[in-house]
Amino acid sequence: QVTLKESGPGILQPSQTLSLTCTFSGFSLSTYGMGVGWIRQPSGKGLEWLANIWWDDDKYYNPSLKNRLTISKDTSNNQAFLKITNVDTADTATYYCARMLGSYWYFDFWGPGTMVTVSS
Amino acid sequence: DVVLTQTPSTLSATIGQSVSISCRSSQSLLDSAGNTYLYWYLQRPGQSPQLLIYLVSNLGSGVPNRFSGSGSGTDFTLKISGVEAEDLGVYYCMQATHADTFGAGTKLELK
Repeated sequence: QVTLKESGPGILQPSQTLSLTCTFSGFSLSTYGMGVGWIRQPSGKGLEWLANIWWDDDKYYNPSLKNRLTISKDTSNNQAFLKITNVDTADTATYYCARMLGSYWYFDFWGPGTMVTVSS
Repeated sequence: DVVLTQTPSTLSATIGQSVSISCRSSQSLLDSAGNTYLYWYLQRPGQSPQLLIYLVSNLGSGVPNRFSGSGSGTDFTLKISGVEAEDLGVYYCMQATHADTFGAGTKLELK
């Protein structure tokens, strides 16, 4: 059974660095073809893809945010991470992580999301 | 960035009615290997998105066959043949041929 769960700070101040963790089970990021992606959604708005990381440590970033994003993984502990530097109020959103299959490049299992508010 | 334009933005339907959602891309989604990375997701109220259709026309695992996807190049369609109450929510198309982008969404509501 595949499950994912996001965790984050809940609230942080402008200019700080947002650190998010995705803890998953039912698959391994050391298995060929597996990946994890991060997607966010401001309240009442649409979805925005942020970044993907793959079993071979290949990484892809949203070009419009690339300079602020860092994705990484800890295969031993079944976790993936996303850091966003220099946050501002526009980064307030629910952040989701999702499993990906390389052969199809889709998000097939999603976590419940974690809400992050950027406020002074 | 590739822009996906979904129409309509809101769709009102009765139970049993068949409906279609359009997704148009600002660039062709056909890659050099002949693959088209176009997907459809449904986000029910208060829930995370779920995969409905992958690679234009393939049903996700456990997705009812009243859902179907079609299209090529820059024009794609999601069809629901006989809306059921559990189908209400926001539908998003997404492309991954280029850097991943989502459409703005189509809200399906009961008439």
